Amino acid sequence: ETGVTQSPTHLIKTRGQQVTLRCSSQSGHNTVSWYQQALGQGPQFIFQYYREEENGRGNFPPRFSGLQFPNYSSELNVNALELDDSALYLCASSAGQTGGNTIYFGEGSWLTVV
Amino acid sequence: KNEVEQSPQNLTAQEGEFITINCSYSVGISALHWLQQHPGGGIVSLFMLSSGKKKHGRLIATINIQEKHSSLHITASHPRDSAVYICAVRSTSGSRLTFGEGTQLTVNP
Repeated sequence: ETGVTQSPTHLIKTRGQQVTLRCSSQSGHNTVSWYQQALGQGPQFIFQYYREEENGRGNFPPRFSGLQFPNYSSELNVNALELDDSALYLCASSAGQTGGNTIYFGEGSWLTVV
Repeated sequence: KNEVEQSPQNLTAQEGEFITINCSYSVGISALHWLQQHPGGGIVSLFMLSSGKKKHGRLIATINIQEKHSSLHITASHPRDSAVYICAVRSTSGSRLTFGEGTQLTVNP
């Protein structure tokens, strides 16, 4: 039990649609990161939020966007879905920005785009 | 070349064997994480290292900062250890984690 919950666990969307994935972190975890993991590969960094502001972004297009809320929850939004967006999306939270904090992952949201 | 390289990609062992998974990285880091991922997808943090060695039960993780190399060891392996083991580093220059491709471990009874 990591204290990080993600929803939905599985969903199927059609190409061109929009999707919102949600993450609820532990109280006090003011840093949240989102990762995309394609089948058989390691996770790829999408972006990170610290105290409700984006403070790092990976090599993903602007149609990937996010929000972080004061209640330690966050969202990942993907517009204009493409087939290659099919993947496991992972949320990870920690207390503070530095590298010295344990990271807690959610179970992930499996997205299939058809 | 990826910033984080793991070896081997796949590993099959018999129950009771000693297992080593290796991770090499090419950037300066503030921390290295060893993670375990089961087929359902969820990831569990096993260790966070910035120097030296850590032990938890049958698991041992070591890091050599000068050589930019870390190892994860499992003693007396058990079928329930079967999972993907992932090495991830947080660079000194950024906030992101960079992951290796993972090592699929299968321990047969």
